[in-house]
Amino acid sequence: EVQLVESGGDLVKPGGSLRLSCAASGFSFTSVWMSWVRQAPGRGLEWVGRIKSKTDGGTTDYAAPMKGRFTISRDDSKDTLYLQMNSLKTEDTALYYCSTYRYSSIYNWGQGTLVAVSS
Amino acid sequence: QSALTQPASVSGSPGQSITISCTGTSSDVGGYNHVSWYQQHPGEVPKLMIYAVSNRPSGVSDRFSGSKSGNTASLTISGLQAEDEADYYCCSFTSTSTLVFGGGTKLTVL
Repeated sequence: EVQLVESGGDLVKPGGSLRLSCAASGFSFTSVWMSWVRQAPGRGLEWVGRIKSKTDGGTTDYAAPMKGRFTISRDDSKDTLYLQMNSLKTEDTALYYCSTYRYSSIYNWGQGTLVAVSS
Repeated sequence: QSALTQPASVSGSPGQSITISCTGTSSDVGGYNHVSWYQQHPGEVPKLMIYAVSNRPSGVSDRFSGSKSGNTASLTISGLQAEDEADYYCCSFTSTSTLVFGGGTKLTVL
């Protein structure tokens, strides 16, 4: 069974940084493309970005609002996905979901970790 | 990349069929057969219902079906049930190798 467990969510001040982690199990993490999706309180879903498997180049793509501030990385030796978030803004407050990315869709979802950006 | 356009709400009675539309552009919905649909009940994690326009993941009821014509994709739910009441989101691959979601549609089962 696919399991994705996010951690690292916290309350942070505007301009601050935070790193989220996602521990994966139940599938071959090394060969799967991974993604992050977020959802602000009471709002819709917003795609954050995606990282390919190292076999496919390990490259990343990001939604425009996150480009240059957010970085997705992976440690295949630990079956773990990361999201480094810098220069955080109040509008980055959201529940952040880790996910597998298959067939250009968000295939499996974690339970999410909450990030709150406030002074 | 602008969000895809979905109706804010749709409703139907048990047993009926409903369709939710998702309109984009030739740079997303119209340009690729990579449209997916998600169901989200209040307080729960979203669930993939349809991928690649019309494919259902294992375990998803065949009452859910997807299609696409031009720049508009559609999700049809037949034999509506009370448990189908939820928010539904469409999503498409784009020409910049990103994904874009729709604003979401609230389905009410009357």
